[in-house]
Amino acid sequence: QQQVKQSPQSLIVQKGGISIINCAYENTAFDYFPWYQQFPGKGPALLIAIRPDVSEKKEGRFTISFNKSAKQFSLHIMDSQPGDSATYFCAAGGSNYGQNFVFGPGTRLSVLP
Amino acid sequence: EAQVTQNPRYLITVTGKKLTVTCSQNMNHEYMSWYRQDPGLGLRQIYYSMNVEVTDKGDVPEGYKVSRKEKRNFPLILESPSPNQTSLYFCASSFADRRTEAFFGQGTRLTVV
Repeated sequence: QQQVKQSPQSLIVQKGGISIINCAYENTAFDYFPWYQQFPGKGPALLIAIRPDVSEKKEGRFTISFNKSAKQFSLHIMDSQPGDSATYFCAAGGSNYGQNFVFGPGTRLSVLP
Repeated sequence: EAQVTQNPRYLITVTGKKLTVTCSQNMNHEYMSWYRQDPGLGLRQIYYSMNVEVTDKGDVPEGYKVSRKEKRNFPLILESPSPNQTSLYFCASSFADRRTEAFFGQGTRLTVV
C-alpha cells in the first residue's frame, strides 16, 4: 500500500492563530490531493483539494501549499477558530480508474477560545 | 437533501454471526466505496464499485463482501465477523468522473465480541 504520512498527530492552537498540518506521499502517479475535515460523530467531508499543476490553492481561511519535487503538501488554517476543532485527513490519489485513494492517519486539531 | 445513509449507526455482535451494514445514496452516483477507520491508521478502503454489478477490492478486503445490484445501494457483508473487524465503517459515494469528491455517510461503529 502506498503510504501518506501526516503530522502532527494532534495540534493545539489558540484562537486567531495559524494551524499547519503536513503530509508527504510516495507515489508520483498521484494527481489529486484533497483534505477532509471530520467532526465527532460525523463522516469526513471534503474541505479543499489541489492538483500538482499549481503550488498553492486558497479558499477562505484554508490554504493548501504543494511542493511537487519534495512530494509534500500542507494545510494552513489562518485565523483558526474554535469551530475548526476537528480531525483533518490528507489524502492522495489518482483520477484514473482503479487508482485508490490513500488517506493519512489524521490530525486532531483543537482551537482554544 | 443529498446524503449517504448508513444503517445501523451502532452495532454490537458476537464472533461468527453474519451481519450486513447497509449504505444508500440519493445523488445518482456511480462510484461507491467502503472504508474502515482505525486510530492512527486513517481511512482504509475495503471495497469499491464503479457502477452496478462492478465491484473490486480495496486495500483491506479480507473478511468482507459487497454487492451492487442497484445503483443507489452498496451493502457491506461480514460473513463471519471477528474481533479484529471492530472498527468505525464509512460508506462513500461520488460521480465516476469525480471520484475525488466523495460524500461520506455518518459512519457505523461495529463492535465484535
